[in-house]
Amino acid sequence: SAVISQKPSRDICQRGTSLTIQCQVDSQVTMMFWYRQQPGQSLTLIATANQGSEATYESGFVIDKFPISRPNLTFSTLTVSNMSPEDSSIYLCSVNPGDYGYTFGSGTRLTVV
Amino acid sequence: QQQVKQSPQSLIVQKGGISIINCAYENTAFDYFPWYQQFPGKGPALLIAIRPDVSEKKEGRFTISFNKSAKQFSLHIMDSQPGDSATYFCAASAGGIGSQGNLIFGKGTKLSVKP
Repeated sequence: SAVISQKPSRDICQRGTSLTIQCQVDSQVTMMFWYRQQPGQSLTLIATANQGSEATYESGFVIDKFPISRPNLTFSTLTVSNMSPEDSSIYLCSVNPGDYGYTFGSGTRLTVV
Repeated sequence: QQQVKQSPQSLIVQKGGISIINCAYENTAFDYFPWYQQFPGKGPALLIAIRPDVSEKKEGRFTISFNKSAKQFSLHIMDSQPGDSATYFCAASAGGIGSQGNLIFGKGTKLSVKP
């Protein structure tokens, strides 16, 4: 299965600032998915990132708040902008390379103070 | 249509017992049903998955039972061990392995296996 490296693993940020999360995959994939997992909750899809085009955002998530880059087939970034304490969550990237189903990174645990 | 309903929210099982977690869905376009195991501080890890053309899939102590007509599927953990204590998520997607679609997750079940 694909191996995903996600950085940083955790961070504590001041409100009003931005954090960029990186996701590196060890194989080329068409789509990369970004999820949010609020404390004690399930996973909610933020957006789908396709290389060479704008990301597709789910209802309730907007590009100004969560800009995404997808410069090539193995890498993507998610930025959490103008953070507030409500953004404190685990952010996860995921891919579905074909043989083993959807694989997740270990996540970025974000705390906004 | 997009929901996946999971129950119970939490489960306590004695060591050696059987853990059973249930999920139900509405969208008949779903054709891939994985279960994920998540330990605290870790990302979800794929445990086992099934497609609707089979009614059961077994991998070691883990079994998925699938009822297409009832639109339900369940995870059975046989001989449950304290190391199985984790949160389990069912999920569904339309398109399965290699698809361009995304996963819809259940709300999760926190399993505690008592020694």
